Amino acid sequence: NAGVTQTPKFQVLKTGQSMTLQCAQDMNHNSMYWYRQDPGMGLRLIYYSASEGTTDKGEVPNGYNVSRLNKREFSLRLESAAPSQTSVYFCASSEGDRGITEAFFGQGTRLTVV
Amino acid sequence: GDSVTQMEGPVTLSEEAFLTINCTYTATGYPSLFWYVQYPGEGLQLLLKATKADDKGSNKGFEATYRKETTSFHLEKGSVQVSDSAVYFCALSNAGGNQFYFGTGTSLTVIP
Repeated sequence: NAGVTQTPKFQVLKTGQSMTLQCAQDMNHNSMYWYRQDPGMGLRLIYYSASEGTTDKGEVPNGYNVSRLNKREFSLRLESAAPSQTSVYFCASSEGDRGITEAFFGQGTRLTVV
Repeated sequence: GDSVTQMEGPVTLSEEAFLTINCTYTATGYPSLFWYVQYPGEGLQLLLKATKADDKGSNKGFEATYRKETTSFHLEKGSVQVSDSAVYFCALSNAGGNQFYFGTGTSLTVIP
């Protein structure tokens, strides 16, 4: 049972480069999320998707775009990476509309922008 | 808006000491409350949860009680072990479970 799988686990980008972080869940969850984790800031929501076909901005969406490709997959794209986007990125999923249940997290992507 | 406030860290304890990590929340309605744990280099894992007032969540010797009157969900463990060293996050979910709000995390180090 894989749960939430994120790729890649590590990435180094140069300023201005683009990349897409991939996330897939195999729990048939409706809702999916992207968070970033920075020291002393906890987890901050970038974007979320309450259900297939919908996406909404979270607390810190600037500089990011997302795609809910299907019910399983939710990708995060950095079009032009900046050093301020150096962070650990976590994807998560939850059942969503079927009740308030916990969020399940991937192992994270450690991104460094130089 | 909804939010979670948890005690600042880092916390350093000796093995077998008593642990309390305070967490208070602000929310409309009746949120569900969670404690997550993050071990070094890993993602967050659910430690325990409570979905209504006066519920007690428990797991691996950790406990937390949902106190609506004080809007709190403090994490406790009677005797910590070195293996409990990790970062602990308090969180709430509201509005049909579509959004989660996390505290800033409390780093715990247990020394032998």
